[in-house]
Amino acid sequence: DIQMTQSPSSLSASVGDRVTITCRASQSISDYLNWYQQKPGKAPKLLIYGASGLLGGVPSRFSGSGSGTDFTLTITSLQPEDFATYYCQQSYSTPWTFGQGTKVEIK
Amino acid sequence: EVQLVQSGAEVRKPGESLKISCKGSGYRFDTYWIGWVRQVPGKGLEWMGIIYPGDSDTRYSPSFQGQVTFSADESINTAYLQWSGLKASDTAIYYCARRFYYDNRDSFDIWGQGTMVTVSS
Repeated sequence: DIQMTQSPSSLSASVGDRVTITCRASQSISDYLNWYQQKPGKAPKLLIYGASGLLGGVPSRFSGSGSGTDFTLTITSLQPEDFATYYCQQSYSTPWTFGQGTKVEIK
Repeated sequence: EVQLVQSGAEVRKPGESLKISCKGSGYRFDTYWIGWVRQVPGKGLEWMGIIYPGDSDTRYSPSFQGQVTFSADESINTAYLQWSGLKASDTAIYYCARRFYYDNRDSFDIWGQGTMVTVSS
């Protein structure tokens, strides 16, 4: 299985901050990388597919980049509704695997 | 509105069987793969596998192969996840999700609300 490692596991930030979350794959996955947001008690929500594709309806302050083994999710100007846990997921090969999550908390 | 609606929370004893459901609406259910994802409360997400309701083709994660069974009834737009002998370690939230296939890339774009399964004696 391909292992996905996110860093940091958690971070504290303020409204308006720029936040960057990284995800590293244990082998090259091209750009078969997705990002999800999950709020407490809710299902995950797809934000970014194919490493950099913004799903329709997702605010443009979210962006993704990377290819191969290293990827980033960036939130420019963090908003109150962005405090959540973020997961990366590879869909390069089955079983699709998720990172362990990054919790974004209010500073 | 495109949505997946899952069946309600369940409590079972170890060794019992269980079948939970995931009903799709607002799109052609038989033309999109449905995936299942497990989340132990407070923990991360685990991909269990996927099923194509159109022909019930299934792909299981090795971690879940033989432990669960996926099925689907396209006539009622519903996918199922079932166990024949539950264990305490099956206690988790189970999500169904629709596979989104675009530009040769896969993801899950629509998620059910989750079904909490508790296995306790």
